[in-house]
Amino acid sequence: EAQVTQNPRYLITVTGKKLTVTCSQNMNHEYMSWYRQDPGLGLRQIYYSMNVEVTDKGDVPEGYKVSRKEKRNFPLILESPSPNQTSLYFCASSLGVRTEAFFGQGTRLTVV
Amino acid sequence: GEDVEQSLFLSVREGDSSVINCTYTDSSSTYLYWYKQEPGAGLQLLTYIFSNMDMKQDQRLTVLLNKKDKHLSLRIADTQTGDSAIYFCAELNFNKFYFGSGTKLNVKP
Repeated sequence: EAQVTQNPRYLITVTGKKLTVTCSQNMNHEYMSWYRQDPGLGLRQIYYSMNVEVTDKGDVPEGYKVSRKEKRNFPLILESPSPNQTSLYFCASSLGVRTEAFFGQGTRLTVV
Repeated sequence: GEDVEQSLFLSVREGDSSVINCTYTDSSSTYLYWYKQEPGAGLQLLTYIFSNMDMKQDQRLTVLLNKKDKHLSLRIADTQTGDSAIYFCAELNFNKFYFGSGTKLNVKP
């Protein structure tokens, strides 16, 4: 089944403790993105990747890192999480930048 | 970033048409999209329109684009209770996506 898988689905962590949210797709898609969703703000793009080893900043990249060592995986790294990074995070992938994006189920992150 | 704006709520009766509106600021946007989000789920693409088009119809969905006013709308004909969800418009500008805040559509039986 074609899908985008994020892990974990829920995470509560403490300020400053490094964490990684994984994202994997099985559709051989080139374009992958991370978004955060906050009430009243919609989705904001954090980082995107056009292909392996090609990543770039989205609208709100501060406090986040990504890597794209393989086509299928696009982990989101928070080196020193802070409470303002408490949010619902979505990973998405698409064949190309313009084509339909497939979203993961979301990761609800709480930083205390 | 770019500004993509939507009204937050819309309530309609089952069987009526729904019109969800969106405005964007950057005329260099190439593609504009409508996504649907059901509770507890990710987003699903409903339809999209290329910026050189005025209208696109797909079954119950009609997208209208007014480039002069930078206004995009999504019309859902014969709205059903299963259409209750949050609807996001999004623009693609170069390789980045900008989403609106979402319109929560409530369909009353």
